[in-house]
Amino acid sequence: QKEVEQNSGPLSVPEGAIASLNCTYSDRGSQSFFWYRQYSGKSPELIMFIYSNGDKEDGRFTAQLNKASQYVSLLIRDSQPSDSATYLCAVIGSSASKIIFGSGTRLSIRP
Amino acid sequence: EPEVTQTPSHQVTQMGQEVILHCVPISNHLYFYWYRQILGQKVEFLVSFYNNEISEKSEIFDDQFSVERPDGSNFTLKIRSTKLEDSAMYFCASSTGEGEKLFFGSGTQLSVL
Repeated sequence: QKEVEQNSGPLSVPEGAIASLNCTYSDRGSQSFFWYRQYSGKSPELIMFIYSNGDKEDGRFTAQLNKASQYVSLLIRDSQPSDSATYLCAVIGSSASKIIFGSGTRLSIRP
Repeated sequence: EPEVTQTPSHQVTQMGQEVILHCVPISNHLYFYWYRQILGQKVEFLVSFYNNEISEKSEIFDDQFSVERPDGSNFTLKIRSTKLEDSAMYFCASSTGEGEKLFFGSGTQLSVL
């Protein structure tokens, strides 16, 4: 079983719409959850982190965490062409010494 | 804004040669990491480092790999005898504490010929 799973996409969303990205994880002891954005050929860039069940909003981004279902999601409102990138879900599991990444979801915002 | 600095941005080497990748983490960060990403694949954990010791390492981080913090600012990854399959983008990252968010450098693209 993969530790962090994401749909690879591509997910195509019209400009101005809401993009919804999902992630599941296998380690029930996981405590910290992150969303990184990665443009092609670039390094991962942190856009959201969440530690508690529920929603966390930052500008156009909302992270949602459900520990009972082992599920974390990212909503991007008013999607812009510049949001086109690969979005990486990352989790710190029972071992706090490493962050494990999912394989990423490629998001494409069409004008 | 403080950032993680990696050099060189590109490194080309012959199979069997040793390479050292360099990183300067953010100055007040205490935890340091190396990750790699083979083209088109996921970001993979290699090693974490704290208080001059390896905290955790992955199966990828075998005897050919080593890390060092030679002074108060640099953090290096050495590959002793490179293989073709070591070709990847290598990312250094740092954090203020264990379990905290990571900040990544811009990466070193390693090509083994």
